Amino acid sequence: GAGVSQSPSNKVTEKGKDVELRCDPISGHTALYWYRQSLGQGLEFLIYFQGNSAPDKSGLPSDRFSAERTGGSVSTLTIQRTQQEDSAVYLCASSLGSSGGAVQFFGPGTRLTVL
Amino acid sequence: AQKVTQAQTEISVVEKEDVTLDCVYETRDTTYYLFWYKQPPSGELVFLIRRNSFDEQNEISGRYSWNFQKSTSSFNFTITASQVVDSAVYFCALSEARRGYQKVTFGIGTKLQVIP
Repeated sequence: GAGVSQSPSNKVTEKGKDVELRCDPISGHTALYWYRQSLGQGLEFLIYFQGNSAPDKSGLPSDRFSAERTGGSVSTLTIQRTQQEDSAVYLCASSLGSSGGAVQFFGPGTRLTVL
Repeated sequence: AQKVTQAQTEISVVEKEDVTLDCVYETRDTTYYLFWYKQPPSGELVFLIRRNSFDEQNEISGRYSWNFQKSTSSFNFTITASQVVDSAVYFCALSEARRGYQKVTFGIGTKLQVIP
């Protein structure tokens, strides 16, 4: 596709359930990022993948959060045993190259609601 | 550590007014990049501009202009003759210029409402 796609666009789940959020980056982009945006808040960095390098997981808020990127393309963010405070919009972005000035292109986000 | 401060959380202007969104950053690096993104009500962040730390020349793109001043660590964004379609949340962001690694720090955003 032309841009970053994310699915589902909306997810409502019950507390304690696991959820998986998917991100399909722009073709050829080597870097992929996950952010969380809570209501009225800025973007909170979660995790960063760059090519075959080990991901930077420094932003993951707890061990209930994990992410993988298969084949250097599609990424899945998994939240286990969801809590109400996990409710937020989860944004994925990708960029071409690994330099500090690479522009990130964002997907439309997945709005997660934990009841 | 990097830090981006957008002190204005919400601004309201009447259509056709000019408005400036402030951005102040902190970094220990001498080489870095600054960005502005727009997040309209639809939710998807849209890239507006990127500047590197060695280029302090101001930039104008239509009704948008950016004023980068290293002396005050600021990268302010001005919209001239604002329109209702400019209503959005605007994020300023900073990244260090380390090859092989890019972590971007975003400000909390400024919500701009343009009233018709």
